[in-house]
This record gives sequence, structure tokens and C-alpha cells, in this order.
Amino acid sequence: DAGITQSPRHKVTETGTPVTLRCHQTENHRYMYWYRQDPGHGLRLIHYSYGVKDTDKGEVSDGYSVSRSKTEDFLLTLESATSSQTSVYFCAISDPQQPQHFGDGTRLSIL
Amino acid sequence: SQQGEEDPQALSIQEGENATMNCSYKTSINNLQWYRQNSGRGLVHLILIRSNEREKHSGRLRVTLDTSKKSSSLLITASRAADTASYFCAERDFGNEKLTFGTGTRLTIIP
Repeated sequence: DAGITQSPRHKVTETGTPVTLRCHQTENHRYMYWYRQDPGHGLRLIHYSYGVKDTDKGEVSDGYSVSRSKTEDFLLTLESATSSQTSVYFCAISDPQQPQHFGDGTRLSIL
Repeated sequence: SQQGEEDPQALSIQEGENATMNCSYKTSINNLQWYRQNSGRGLVHLILIRSNEREKHSGRLRVTLDTSKKSSSLLITASRAADTASYFCAERDFGNEKLTFGTGTRLTIIP
């Protein structure tokens, strides 16, 4: 789907451990986004990137950091995972003024 | 920005009937977009309507926009079982590429 790959697709980990999710694109799109999806909340933006090494916070950025060292990769890191970060995480990409294209998500469970 | 709301939260109709979903949003928008999400998958873009447009069609989809009421509706005509999915509206305001998603409508088409 639109050349977006999220890895891993599923992960179970323990509270307090670091977790990194990867989003890889083959479309050379400028913008990349990380969302979380929870019941009753729809999708909420965590962080986004508007270019290599250019990132900004979204609506629910506390407890998350991101990095984009090259156009094709956008990493989301939970430095010390908490149970409230159990969620489904989606990556999206877009060019300016264009709709977003989504990956198939990473289901993350923190016990 | 706050999330918009969609109405209804869930809708079940017989195959062949029309389905209408409504979306209210909070800000002055650049455009409003509709997405579909099948179970276990990422979101797929359906249609984008700009703030200076009032109606837009794409196949069996019809979207309207009323900026004075800050609302939009998505009509799916002659529904099919494959239309079973969750549908989300997303508002894009001026000056950035971020989207704010509504909480979604879960549509079930009964064969």
C-alpha cells in the first residue's frame, strides 16, 4: 500500500522497557507522521516530520520521541514504555497539499 | 486542536441502501478529507473537498461541505458488503499539513 512498511507488526513488551517502531517508505514523500489509534479516540497525531531531521510535536507527544535521519525512514521511540501506551500505531506519508497514505499499523501491547 | 465528531458512531443497513455519515469539525479548514479503514488495516483516502467547494462526487461517493455549520457529510449510494468498514473525516487547517481526525463511524452492510 503506497510503499509504506511498518515494523514490527506486533510487539509485546514490559513496562519500563524501551521500544522503537520503524516506518519505511519507498515513495520519496516529504512528510511522515506517527499516529496512535485507541477506541473512542480515533487517530491522534504523535509527531510528524517535514523533512530530514525536521520534526514537530503532535497532539499526544508526551513520552514519545522521533528521528528521521533519511527521507525513507521515520522512527518512533518510547524511551520507557507505560501501559497507557498500549495502542495501535500508524505511520502515514504525504507530499505537500496531498492526502496521506497509511501503513497497516503496529499493534503494541505493554504489560 | 480538538477532534471533530462523527455521527452516528455506528450504522447498520441492508445491502443496496444508501448510507449517510456526518462530521462536525472545530476550526476554519483548508480542506476536509474522508478515509475508510477496513478491520486490521490502515486508512485509505477516499475523497478530499476544499473549503471553497460545496459538493464533490467520486463513483458512488458524494461529499458535501457546509462551512457555515462546520459540517460535512459522506453519502455512499447502493451500498455493498465490501463497504463494511469504519469511516473517518479529517480536517486540515491552514498553514500546515497536519490532519485532525474524527472518531469515526462504523458502517456494517447486511447482505
